[in-house]
Amino acid sequence: KQEVTQIPAALSVPEGENLVLNCSFTDSAIYNLQWFRQDPGKGLTSLLLIQSSQREQTSGRLNASLDKSSGRSTLYIAASQPGDSATYLCAVRGGGSEKLVFGKGMKLTVNP
Amino acid sequence: KAGVTQTPRYLIKTRGQQVTLSCSPISGHRSVSWYQQTPGQGLQFLFEYFSETQRNKGNFPGRFSGRQFSNSRSEMNVSTLELGDSALYLCASSELASLFDEQFFGPGTRLTVL
Repeated sequence: KQEVTQIPAALSVPEGENLVLNCSFTDSAIYNLQWFRQDPGKGLTSLLLIQSSQREQTSGRLNASLDKSSGRSTLYIAASQPGDSATYLCAVRGGGSEKLVFGKGMKLTVNP
Repeated sequence: KAGVTQTPRYLIKTRGQQVTLSCSPISGHRSVSWYQQTPGQGLQFLFEYFSETQRNKGNFPGRFSGRQFSNSRSEMNVSTLELGDSALYLCASSELASLFDEQFFGPGTRLTVL
């Protein structure tokens, strides 16, 4: 059974820092991995999708990498801003399941 | 293109009642999935529909059911509501039912059971 872990559960940083968010999964036979952002009480916004054949994807200040063999992904946020404050969720598809399996998320607070 | 829309956004029900939630996918998307989000359990998969057929189902009791219409819109029904059904219900759509598709989520329906 695929399990996804995000550590730490929360992070508070001053504005301007470069951040690395971690995601690990137990079964490396995945189809893809997706990073989402969730603002309080809202739905999920897709940030980046990495297919199993890819090593990384970039969008603006965000860069996500995937190391399937070690069961890890990182989301890199450059020059963090207060508007980046949200919960970030990682989800994988595959590893014995066709559905998206989510981590519990990491709550990020960027202080001005 | 408009995003995924869900109605209603908020619902308050009492135990024992039933509820129907609606989801309209992004135009052209034919696959719809439903998830339940609670503080304790996080996001859990309910079911997935493609071309009016249920393709996958999560580990939820039979009180949770769904369907998809020919225009790809989907509804989810919960009968005999319990306090533990209070949650944010999220709908996601993708173009096809490919395992490689990106999933796009709606704003959710917040269900409170009293």
